[in-house]
Amino acid sequence: GQNIDQPTEMTATEGAIVQINCTYQTSGFNGLFWYQQHAGEAPTFLSYNVLDGLEEKGRFSSFLSRSKGYSYLLLKELQMKDSASYLCAVRDSNYQLIWGAGTKLIIKP
Amino acid sequence: ETGVTQTPRHLVMGMTNKKSLKCEQHLGHNAMYWYKQSAKKPLELMFVYSLEERVENNSVPSRFSPECPNSSHLFLHLHTLQPEDSALYLCASSQELGEDYNSPLHFGNGTRLTVT
Repeated sequence: GQNIDQPTEMTATEGAIVQINCTYQTSGFNGLFWYQQHAGEAPTFLSYNVLDGLEEKGRFSSFLSRSKGYSYLLLKELQMKDSASYLCAVRDSNYQLIWGAGTKLIIKP
Repeated sequence: ETGVTQTPRHLVMGMTNKKSLKCEQHLGHNAMYWYKQSAKKPLELMFVYSLEERVENNSVPSRFSPECPNSSHLFLHLHTLQPEDSALYLCASSQELGEDYNSPLHFGNGTRLTVT
């Protein structure tokens, strides 16, 4: 079967750095997405990786290793507004999106 | 308006009621989706419409009935639901696959459904 694994919950301190990991086992690979979802709101697109390496967008970066079936989302200079759930999703060989259950990130002052 | 708009935001219904969820997108996309989101579970894809034709139905019970009258509007008709159907129902849109494989989904804020 196809599977995406993410930690259920993480806690970090304002101003610090946090890394949210995502490992996947899918039938084929056609890209990996990260989304942010604040409580009661829509998931919003953060990043897309299809080639190995690091993609940087301001305070957020996303890394992919296809050989290891692994990605991480790196958040720097954490702010209270970064408290949210972070969803990892992989597009498989049929271009279906396979979703992880999300990681709830709690930022403490 | 921009983005994806869903109404109502909250809905409480009895098991014998009939109700409909509405979704509208103003992004010019030609694919629309219904997802179910339950606590601590991955998003579950329910239906996909591409160019107003249903292209996917992921073994969803018949008590859920989608309708896509045009590329901007999507409905989910509900009848005789069960308490386990209580969840957040998310609508999303995107450019059709095949044109842009890295096209992300754009989600609405969802309808929080409670079945009593």
